[in-house]
Amino acid sequence: EPEVTQTPSHQVTQMGQEVILRCVPISNHLYFYWYRQILGQKVEFLVSFYNNEISEKSEIFDDQFSVERPDGSNFTLKIRSTKLEDSAMYFCASSSSLGSGNTIYFGEGSWLTVV
Amino acid sequence: DAKTTQPNSMESNEEEPVHLPCNHSTISGTDYIHWYRQLPSQGPEYVIHGLTSNVNNRMASLAIAEDRKSSTLILHRATLRDAAVYYCILRDPYNQGGKLIFGQGTELSVKP
Repeated sequence: EPEVTQTPSHQVTQMGQEVILRCVPISNHLYFYWYRQILGQKVEFLVSFYNNEISEKSEIFDDQFSVERPDGSNFTLKIRSTKLEDSAMYFCASSSSLGSGNTIYFGEGSWLTVV
Repeated sequence: DAKTTQPNSMESNEEEPVHLPCNHSTISGTDYIHWYRQLPSQGPEYVIHGLTSNVNNRMASLAIAEDRKSSTLILHRATLRDAAVYYCILRDPYNQGGKLIFGQGTELSVKP
């Protein structure tokens, strides 16, 4: 069964450093998402991406965050200057379309620890 | 965002059926009812979804009330591997970018 893959599975970074989280969505999917989950809290939407541009973003997704699809397979989330409160599990997700029969598939997540 | 209400937690015994309720009284006509689950330390996993009619798949069944203001996820025989947080989410595929908005969900524990 096709799956969304994410790397790294865990990253520890110093406060203020830049971090790039990588995702390989399912190959024929066109809609891409990033979510995050702070330990013990609910899963939060960050951003959705379609046709090489952001289609929607949440209040969490401020100027410190950016997304990119640098080639035909990868989808990345960059945090420019990490803060302690960015420590969380980050999930990438993808969907083939927005139609009724299509679901969003999630990766296993990248655990980011900012120290 | 249309909201859902779920119990915070439920318990079940292994090999018994589990009925997980969800209320969504403000559901709109274009909202699909999606269920996801999240096992410990894993990403959310799709379980099932429906619009008006009851749905069955290999994982579960979804029973939708006639007025669509509530639904129930049915696990026919709970196993220890079904212990997870179950999320009932309303998704309008053509509004809000089709994104999923997660609530707190129901934490299901399964006793052997």
